[in-house]
Amino acid sequence: DQQVKQNSPSLSVQEGRISILNCDYTNSMFDYFLWYKKYPAEGPTFLISISSIKDKNEDGRFTVFLNKSAKHLSLHIVPSQPGDSAVYFCEVRGAQKLVFGQGTRLTINP
Amino acid sequence: EAQVTQNPRYLITVTGKKLTVTCSQNMNHEYMSWYRQDPGLGLRQIYYSMNVEVTDKGDVPEGYKVSRKEKRNFPLILESPSPNQTSLYFCASSLSPDSLGEKLFFGSGTQLSVL
Repeated sequence: DQQVKQNSPSLSVQEGRISILNCDYTNSMFDYFLWYKKYPAEGPTFLISISSIKDKNEDGRFTVFLNKSAKHLSLHIVPSQPGDSAVYFCEVRGAQKLVFGQGTRLTINP
Repeated sequence: EAQVTQNPRYLITVTGKKLTVTCSQNMNHEYMSWYRQDPGLGLRQIYYSMNVEVTDKGDVPEGYKVSRKEKRNFPLILESPSPNQTSLYFCASSLSPDSLGEKLFFGSGTQLSVL
């Protein structure tokens, strides 16, 4: 069973516009949520996180939103830049369990 | 420089030939873990370790072994590799498993092909 789903394998966005990446989870025991970014031939690197006591966390161009009732989180990037082209993974945690989503490949077009 | 170092970056082997992928971190992290990345499946946890001599299975542990004899090292062992273990492998570490939300630091990955 897939406890964490990123339903969009790929996303294409024009430079300067907003990119929205989504992640859904099934288990309410998850209470901490992270996003990682991965370039080709490199390991994932941490981007931004949010705990279940918040519904929004912002860091520069990146904002993560959490909707606990819907078990849904999203990552907003605005404005999108060519260097944002990468694969993005959400990670959810709870009760010493950690699960990643399948990843979304984001392409920013000039 | 704080980092997680994996070796080798690329490995081609044959079915049944034992191999070890090494992982070392220089950040004095307690938590270390291994993942495999496969198309459409994302990152799946193989094994993790909360501290020295403490290891536990992740979601896909079959066919793998690990050991944690020192805090900085966490090797992944494939005793008898099979073609379905062809994958991209990542080692990761974080400060403390009890600190909610501690981010993971990843190595650069090991691309393994089992023929």
